[in-house]
Amino acid sequence: AQKVIQVWSTTSRQEGEKLTLDCSYKTSQVLYHLFWYKHLLSGEMVLLIRQMPSTIAIERSGRYSVVFQKSRKSISLVISTLQPDDSGKYFCALWELAYNTNTGKLTFGDGTVLTVKP
Amino acid sequence: EAAVTQSPRSKVAVTGGKVTLSCHQTNNHDYMYWYRQDTGHGLRLIHYSYVADSTEKGDIPDGYKASRPSQENFSLILELASLSQTAVYFCASSDAWGRQNTLYFGAGTRLSVL
Repeated sequence: AQKVIQVWSTTSRQEGEKLTLDCSYKTSQVLYHLFWYKHLLSGEMVLLIRQMPSTIAIERSGRYSVVFQKSRKSISLVISTLQPDDSGKYFCALWELAYNTNTGKLTFGDGTVLTVKP
Repeated sequence: EAAVTQSPRSKVAVTGGKVTLSCHQTNNHDYMYWYRQDTGHGLRLIHYSYVADSTEKGDIPDGYKASRPSQENFSLILELASLSQTAVYFCASSDAWGRQNTLYFGAGTRLSVL
């Protein structure tokens, strides 16, 4: 079963709109972090947001923010005032620390391709 | 300036041939990783390393070897390339566990095996 689920594989919006990309995850570990990455057309993977469930603070970075519902194991990325440059592929990722082996593991969702039309 | 640099950016290889993908980081990070991305899917971990001269298997290590000759360099080796290994490969680095588990990625290498 997939640990990180992004329901939409593709989506399209108009410039200026607000977008929410959904992500749900499965984990039994106590220590885990959540990430949103953007895969640029140039090939780069850029970190957008890191959310630590141990804090109640909601992360924000510029026009990016998250809606984090820990009890539902859900973290959505919100992009306000969309611009054509926001087009790209967005990945949700879960990092877990397994205490019994003291190793960590990062698992990615399948990604959502966003197209923003002018 | 890019802190994780991959080379080559793209490569065409023949089935059965040997392919080496290189990665260099200037982040002074202990951890380095190799992921592959297939069209329509997320990234999957092939190999990783937390110290020079040591490598660990990830989730899909079969058909791949890795080499970490120094803290800065991490290579992925396909001894006998196969069609199923056509994918985009990403290298990444991160600091030690716990405090900094954020990965910093290279720009990717597009490998086509014919």
